[in-house]
Amino acid sequence: QVTLRESGPALVQPTQTLTLTCTFAGFSLSTHGMCVSWIRQPPGKALEWLGFIDWDDDKYYSTSLQTRLTISKDTSKNEVVLRMTNMDPLDTATYYCARTLSMGGIAVDSWGQGTLVTVSS
Amino acid sequence: QSVLTQPPSVSAAPGQKVTISCSGSSSNVGSNPVSWYQHLPGTAPKLLISDNDKRPSGIPDRFSGSKSGTSATLGITGLQTGDEADYYCGTWDRTLTVVIFGGGTKLTVL
Repeated sequence: QVTLRESGPALVQPTQTLTLTCTFAGFSLSTHGMCVSWIRQPPGKALEWLGFIDWDDDKYYSTSLQTRLTISKDTSKNEVVLRMTNMDPLDTATYYCARTLSMGGIAVDSWGQGTLVTVSS
Repeated sequence: QSVLTQPPSVSAAPGQKVTISCSGSSSNVGSNPVSWYQHLPGTAPKLLISDNDKRPSGIPDRFSGSKSGTSATLGITGLQTGDEADYYCGTWDRTLTVVIFGGGTKLTVL
């Protein structure tokens, strides 16, 4: 059974750096075609893909956010970490990590429950 | 404004059929498989359709997907009140090298 769980602060101050950890089970991020994405949803708005890291340690980031994002993985711990710098109240959102399959197409087939991050002083 | 265009809302009566469109371009929908997601309030999104028309295990055959050119469509038959949710299409954009989602469509079952 594939599971993912996000952990990190619920409240972040403006200009600070957000660090979220995704702990997963039921698959290996070393397997060809496996990726882990970070996706967010601001209140009342649509899903927004932030980026993913793949089995080969390649990273892809949202064009609009790439200067602020870093995604890394620790395969031995089954963890993926998202760092987002210079947080702003507009970054308030529920952040999801999700297993993403890259086999011809892209499919996000398993999602964590999400963690709400509020940016406020 | 999303790169993939979906209608903001659709509605239909219980038992009826509804379709949700997803319009893109040659660099995304036109050249890569499309997936569809259901997002019920307060829950994690769920993959409904992958590779344009494939249903993962456990997804009822009331849900179907298709693609033609730069547009994709999600169909839902036998509508139930439990189908009320936001629906998103998603795919890879080969020019931008990013995953993109549509703006989402809110389904109301009247």
